[in-house]
Amino acid sequence: EIVLTQSPGTLSLSPGERATLSCRASQSVSSSYLAWYQQKRGQAPRLLIYGASSRATGIPDRFSGSGSGTDFTLTISRLEPEDFAVYYCQQYGSSPYTFGQGTKLEIK
Amino acid sequence: QMQLQESGPGLVKSSETLSLTCTVSGGSISSYYWNWIRQTPGKGLEWIGYVYYSGTTNYNPSLKSRVTISLDTSKNHFSLRLSSVTAADTAIYYCARQLRSLDIWGQGTMVTVSS
Repeated sequence: EIVLTQSPGTLSLSPGERATLSCRASQSVSSSYLAWYQQKRGQAPRLLIYGASSRATGIPDRFSGSGSGTDFTLTISRLEPEDFAVYYCQQYGSSPYTFGQGTKLEIK
Repeated sequence: QMQLQESGPGLVKSSETLSLTCTVSGGSISSYYWNWIRQTPGKGLEWIGYVYYSGTTNYNPSLKSRVTISLDTSKNHFSLRLSSVTAADTAIYYCARQLRSLDIWGQGTMVTVSS
């Protein structure tokens, strides 16, 4: 199974700043089948990015994804107050699908 | 737009079988992959498995011996059965549609396993 390791565990930033979240896979992710999700307290995860770099429907363009192989990045260009949440990466290229442990983005 | 809603008992006794249903509204279940995922504070998000609209299934090997996922096109829902549960199966259970990864999720349902 592919293990996804996210860093940092917690990221403290201010609104308006740029956030860079990392996801590293223990082996290459097939066809860049890598997704990013945002989860707020008490809510289900929400798909942000699929295929490593494609934004899901309705996701603002301040969210962008990049990477391939074993190294992937989620970037939020200018943080809005509603962006402070937990972010997960997930690979769906090989079974079993797996998730990273999450990065908590908190207000500094 | 399509919505998913989990339903089922919130409390299950240890060694018994957990049964949940995910009802799909605003669209047909006769397409896509339909997934179950669970979340615990300790293990985070864990993929349980999926059923394809054709009936093909794929399960996480860690749960495979205890899991059955099925779908009922006449009722437009799909279901999860997890047998021989223990306290370790206490979690929030989510259903989700897979188109481009897991693009639509239910709100989740908390299931507690009691001894």
